[in-house]
Amino acid sequence: QSVLTQPPSVSAAPGQKVTISCSGSSSNIGNNYVAWYQQFPGTAPTLLIYDNNKRPSGIPDRFSGSKSGTSATLGITGLQTGDEADYYCGTWDNSLRAGVFGGGTKLTVL
Amino acid sequence: VQLVQSGAEVKKPGESLKISCKGSGYTFTTYFIAWVRQMPGEGLEWMGIIHPGDSNTRYSPSFQGQVTISADKSSSTAYLQWSSLRASDTAMYYCARHASPRLATVDFDYWGQGTLVTVSS
Repeated sequence: QSVLTQPPSVSAAPGQKVTISCSGSSSNIGNNYVAWYQQFPGTAPTLLIYDNNKRPSGIPDRFSGSKSGTSATLGITGLQTGDEADYYCGTWDNSLRAGVFGGGTKLTVL
Repeated sequence: VQLVQSGAEVKKPGESLKISCKGSGYTFTTYFIAWVRQMPGEGLEWMGIIHPGDSNTRYSPSFQGQVTISADKSSSTAYLQWSSLRASDTAMYYCARHASPRLATVDFDYWGQGTLVTVSS
C-alpha cells in the first residue's frame, strides 16, 4: 500500500479537463511540497509539476497543480490522446524521513 | 544534463550486483541523486538518495539494509548495490537528479534510462 492515495484510473474525452487527486497526511503532503510525474510505458517518468504548482520549462500550461491541506491535485485541460499515460504524485514524508509516491493513476483519453 | 545507467542484468538468487548511474553536463557533486524502483506493472518506489559531494545517504525504511547506495566523485557516478539478490528484486531501477539542493523533496528533473534487473534461478 502506498503512503499517498491516488485513484487507479481516470478517463475523459479529448478536449475535456480531468483532475487527479493525491491524498496524504500531515507528515507528508501537509508539510511538504508535492511533485507530479507523467510516465509512458517503457520510459522513465517526466517531471510535470514541482513545488505544488510550478511547471518546469517545456511543460505546457495545460498541466497545473494545486495543494490544499493534506491533498494535492493535478489538472489537465484540453486533453489529447497523447496525454494517455500513468501519473504519479510524490512528496517527502517527515515521519519516514524518506520520499514517497502515490500508487499511480492511469489516464485514458476516450 | 544526462544520467546514463548501466545495462540490463540477469542474475541468480543469492548473487551480488552493483549497477551504476553516470552523470554528465553538470556539477555532479552539487545535486542529490535518488534511486527509484519500479516492479513489473507497478508504481514508483523511492529507495534512497545520496549527495555525491559528501556521500550523505538516506534510505527508505523499506530498503534500509537491503541495498547500499554510494557515489564516486572522481567518475561522477552513483551506484546501487545488493549483496544477495532475491527474486523479488526483479524490477526496473531508475536514478534521478534532484531539481533543487533540498534534501526533503522528490522533484527530480533528470532521470536515467533505467536498468532492468532480473533475478531468476
